[in-house]
Amino acid sequence: DQQVKQNSPSLSVQEGRISILNCDYTNSMFDYFLWYKKYPAEGPTFLISISSIKDKNEDGRFTVFLNKSAKHLSLHIVPSQPGDSAVYFCAASDNSGGSNYKLTFGKGTLLTVNP
Amino acid sequence: DGGITQSPKYLFRKEGQNVTLSCEQNLNHDAMYWYRQDPGQGLRLIYYSQIVNDFQKGDIAEGYSVSREKKESFPLTVTSAQKNPTAFYLCASTLDTEAFFGQGTRLTVV
Repeated sequence: DQQVKQNSPSLSVQEGRISILNCDYTNSMFDYFLWYKKYPAEGPTFLISISSIKDKNEDGRFTVFLNKSAKHLSLHIVPSQPGDSAVYFCAASDNSGGSNYKLTFGKGTLLTVNP
Repeated sequence: DGGITQSPKYLFRKEGQNVTLSCEQNLNHDAMYWYRQDPGQGLRLIYYSQIVNDFQKGDIAEGYSVSREKKESFPLTVTSAQKNPTAFYLCASTLDTEAFFGQGTRLTVV
């Protein structure tokens, strides 16, 4: 049973436009959410996170929105750049604030930003 | 420079052989993890360790073993019992609400 779902395996956008990556979760105990970016043959790198007490968190071109009632979060990248082309993983945790916890990942969405 | 080091980056082994993947961190993190990535499967948790000399199975532990004799090191052994070992393996450690990942090891069994 997949607790974190990224239903779009891939997304293609034009440079300068907005990229929206979506993520749904089923476990109501999840209270902290993170987005990771991953290039081929490399480890994921942290992008942005959001606690369940917030509905929005912004960091430069990246904004994450959380809708707890719908168990849905999304990552917005504005404007998209070719260097943003990578696989984006949504992850969730049910022990925010602690140093020892497990992340549950979605399957990832491959974003391609075309020049 | 603090970080997590996985070695080697690429590893080839014959079918039926055990192989050990290295993961070392100098971040002074208590918790360390091993994930496996397959196409279309995302990242799946194999084993994790929250303190030295203690570890727990993740979602797909069968065919794998780990040890945590030192805080800095969390090696993963892929045994001959693992039916489909060819994959990309990622090691991670955590601090507060962030996970730090190594660069990964691509294991190919021929």
